[in-house]
Amino acid sequence: QQQVKQSPQSLIVQKGGISIINCAYENTAFDYFPWYQQFPGKGPALLIAIRPDVSEKKEGRFTISFNKSAKQFSLHIMDSQPGDSATYFCAASSPGGGADGLTFGKGTHLIIQP
Amino acid sequence: DGGITQSPKYLFRKEGQNVTLSCEQNLNHDAMYWYRQDPGQGLRLIYYSQIVNDFQKGDIAEGYSVSREKKESFPLTVTSAQKNPTAFYLCASRRQGMETQYFGPGTRLLVL
Repeated sequence: QQQVKQSPQSLIVQKGGISIINCAYENTAFDYFPWYQQFPGKGPALLIAIRPDVSEKKEGRFTISFNKSAKQFSLHIMDSQPGDSATYFCAASSPGGGADGLTFGKGTHLIIQP
Repeated sequence: DGGITQSPKYLFRKEGQNVTLSCEQNLNHDAMYWYRQDPGQGLRLIYYSQIVNDFQKGDIAEGYSVSREKKESFPLTVTSAQKNPTAFYLCASRRQGMETQYFGPGTRLLVL
């Protein structure tokens, strides 16, 4: 059972455009939702994270929008740059700080065309 | 220079062979995790440990074993029972009470 569904699987955006990646979750006990960025051959790195008590969080060009009633959250990358080309994973964890690990979406391969 | 190190970067396994992947962290983190990454599959949890000498199975533990004898180290053994071991293996750690998991650079395991 896939508890975090991520879409699209791949995405091509022109430089300067907005990249949008969506995730939906099933487990209402999840209370921490991070996004990770991964470059080829490297480990994932935390990009930005949100808790369900806020509807939006912004850090620089990266914004998470969170819809608790719909059990959905999304990553928006404003003014997308070629250096943003990477694979992005959404994830979720249950209460307790994710002590028992993160549940990941399957990833979105993002390409920013110059 | 603090962080998580994984070795080797590439590992080759022969049929019927057990191999061990190393994960070491000097972040003084309490919890450590092993994930497996396959193309198009995201990351799946193999094992995790919240304290020394204790660990729990994740979603795909069959064919794998771990130990946690030291806080800094959490080695993963891929046994011969794991019939499809080819994957990218990622180790992560987390400080008690904090939510962020930090990942190592990964080990790519290939079968000869």
